[in-house]
Amino acid sequence: GAGVSQTPSNKVTEKGKYVELRCDPISGHTALYWYRQSLGQGPEFLIYFQGTGAADDSGLPNDRFFAVRPEGSVSTLKIQRTERGDSAVYLCASSPSEGDTQYFGPGTRLTVL
Amino acid sequence: QKEVEQDPGPLSVPEGAIVSLNCTYSNSAFQYFMWYRQYSRKGPELLMYTYSSGNKEDGRFTAQVDKSSKYISLFIRDSQPSDSATYLCAMSYASGGSYIPTFGRGTSLIVHP
Repeated sequence: GAGVSQTPSNKVTEKGKYVELRCDPISGHTALYWYRQSLGQGPEFLIYFQGTGAADDSGLPNDRFFAVRPEGSVSTLKIQRTERGDSAVYLCASSPSEGDTQYFGPGTRLTVL
Repeated sequence: QKEVEQDPGPLSVPEGAIVSLNCTYSNSAFQYFMWYRQYSRKGPELLMYTYSSGNKEDGRFTAQVDKSSKYISLFIRDSQPSDSATYLCAMSYASGGSYIPTFGRGTSLIVHP
């Protein structure tokens, strides 16, 4: 079956702009995770959804970052007033339930000029 | 000091060599230990998963966990050029029902023919 998909694959924006990154998890997976991976670093946890609710958002760096999963499937990560330091690959992962193996998407490469 | 330390490499070996990849960690609460493989411009893919101390073997891959030394290893036997990738260690523990992994920065492995 289809894996986790993320769109767009690349996003270039200007400092101060608003961006939305989309994640389509594997069908039936209730748990969904967002990570940020900077160059030469491992993925860094941002937020985790169980169903529609954010079960853990302790990794969001500040209030410019927000994520939603209104119907318990697709999730959108929203970044307001982007800064150059936000440039990174944003990874989404899903799992059948909390604690199960996470399956990662290919990521969205965000570049803030 | 980061919770999980991993040498970024690169580690360059000839085809057929035995590869040893390692991570150290500082948080004794970690119970679950994972190794992911990440090809360039792709998301991480789970290779091995171990609970607590001990060894686990899967084909050419062996994972070892030494909780007393806070040290984990991944061995790859008969390495192939297709094994060339970044290998990420990750570890987690149950916290309020959540198992959010903490990743190392990854070791870049190059297997040359």
